[in-house]
Amino acid sequence: SYELTQPPSVSVSPGQTARITCSGDTLSRQFVFWYQKKSGQAPLLVIYKDTQRPSGIPERFSGSSSGTTVTLTISGVQAEDEAEYYCQSADSTDTYVFGTGTKVTVL
Amino acid sequence: QVQLQESGPRLVKSSETLSLTCTVSGASISSDSWSWIRQPPGEGLKWIGHIYGSGSTNYNPSLNSRVTISLDTSKNQVSLRLTSVTAADTAIYYCARIRGGLWFDYWGQGSLVTVSS
Repeated sequence: SYELTQPPSVSVSPGQTARITCSGDTLSRQFVFWYQKKSGQAPLLVIYKDTQRPSGIPERFSGSSSGTTVTLTISGVQAEDEAEYYCQSADSTDTYVFGTGTKVTVL
Repeated sequence: QVQLQESGPRLVKSSETLSLTCTVSGASISSDSWSWIRQPPGEGLKWIGHIYGSGSTNYNPSLNSRVTISLDTSKNQVSLRLTSVTAADTAIYYCARIRGGLWFDYWGQGSLVTVSS
């Protein structure tokens, strides 16, 4: 199996921009999906297929990809964005992997 | 609207079998693929395995010998069995629907299962 590496934490002031990276050797040929996870709640998909935003997700959430690193960007961070964020991919062996997770703290 | 709800014992003794059920509404389990995912306390999300609507399965190699996922189409339920549990299996267990074979679009609220000695 493979691993997806994320920074353990990101701290940002309200209104600023938070960037969360997800790195993995296979990401140049796989889509990545991002989930927001708040305590006591189920994960919520915020970005799919690297850059697509599901209906109902605020425009301040965006995704980008470059080589083996994908990035989730939250522009104009709000207090409600404080959560854990996980990247996820699926590989050709029919298995799924989640990133190590990033705790976003809004100062 | 697709809804998933996990149910089952919240406390399991060490070395025994953990059994959870995911009741699905708003979708037919035989038409989609379903997964179990867990989050141990203080840790990240871990994929356990999944099952296709046909009944074929694939499991995380780290759990392969202990895990079984099955379908009950008469009740529209997806089940998880994990044998020989230890404290390391204490986690919140989620069921989720797989979309396009790539990601998880609907999740249950999760069920905290504690393994006691």
